[in-house]
Amino acid sequence: DAGVTQSPTHLIKTRGQHVTLRCSPISGHKSVSWYQQVLGQGPQFIFQYYEKEERGRGNFPDRFSARQFPNYSSELNVNALLLGDSALYLCASSLLASGYTFGSGTRLTVV
Amino acid sequence: GESVGLHLPTLSVQEGDNSIINCAYSNSASDYFIWYKQESGKGPQFIIDIRSNMDKRQGQRVTVLLNKTVKHLSLQIAATQPGDSAVYFCAENIANTGNQFYFGTGTSLTVIP
Repeated sequence: DAGVTQSPTHLIKTRGQHVTLRCSPISGHKSVSWYQQVLGQGPQFIFQYYEKEERGRGNFPDRFSARQFPNYSSELNVNALLLGDSALYLCASSLLASGYTFGSGTRLTVV
Repeated sequence: GESVGLHLPTLSVQEGDNSIINCAYSNSASDYFIWYKQESGKGPQFIIDIRSNMDKRQGQRVTVLLNKTVKHLSLQIAATQPGDSAVYFCAENIANTGNQFYFGTGTSLTVIP
C-alpha cells in the first residue's frame, strides 16, 4: 500500500507569489490534515478536512486555505507568500479518531 | 495555543543503553497522546500512542508512560540502536477537537556507537 504522498517534494517561490501543495491520503483514509513545520520546531496544525468538510483550523492567516476532493486528496493553498512561510508542509491522513500517518512533506522556500 | 513541552532538547546515549524522553503537557482535557520519530528530511513517523484511560503502553522496544496527575508523558526506548537517532516529538489531542494535535518542540536523540 502506498503511504501518504505529497507533491512537489521541494519548491522555491518568490515573495508575493501563490503556491499550491498537494496530498494523496492512504487508501481508505477520509481525514486529511495539514501541518507547517518550521526548521527546529514541531509541526503546527493548519487545517483538518474530513469527508470534504473543514473540521478544524489552526491559528494561521486567511492567506492559507485548503480543500478536499471527492477522492479524499487535498490541496493547501497559500497566497501572498512571505519569507516566514518557508517551512516543511506536512500532510497526514487518518481514520477518524486514530493516529496520523504523515507524508514526507513539501519543502517550501520563499525568497 | 497549547503548551506541549519537552524537558531536554538533546539527549545522547550509548548504544545498547535505555533512553528516556520526557514530555510535559498543560491541558487536562488532553485525552490522546502520540509519540513520533522524525529523521532528517522525512515526515514524522508514528511510534506509539496512549489514551488517557491508560497509564502505560508497550510496543516493540518502546514503552510510553502517562502520569495524568502531573501532566507528564515519557517514552522509553530499550536497548537503543544507532537507527534510533532522530528527533522525537510528543503530540497531544484535546478531547472533542477532532484530529487536531499539538506538538512539542522535540528532543534530538543521538546514539553513540
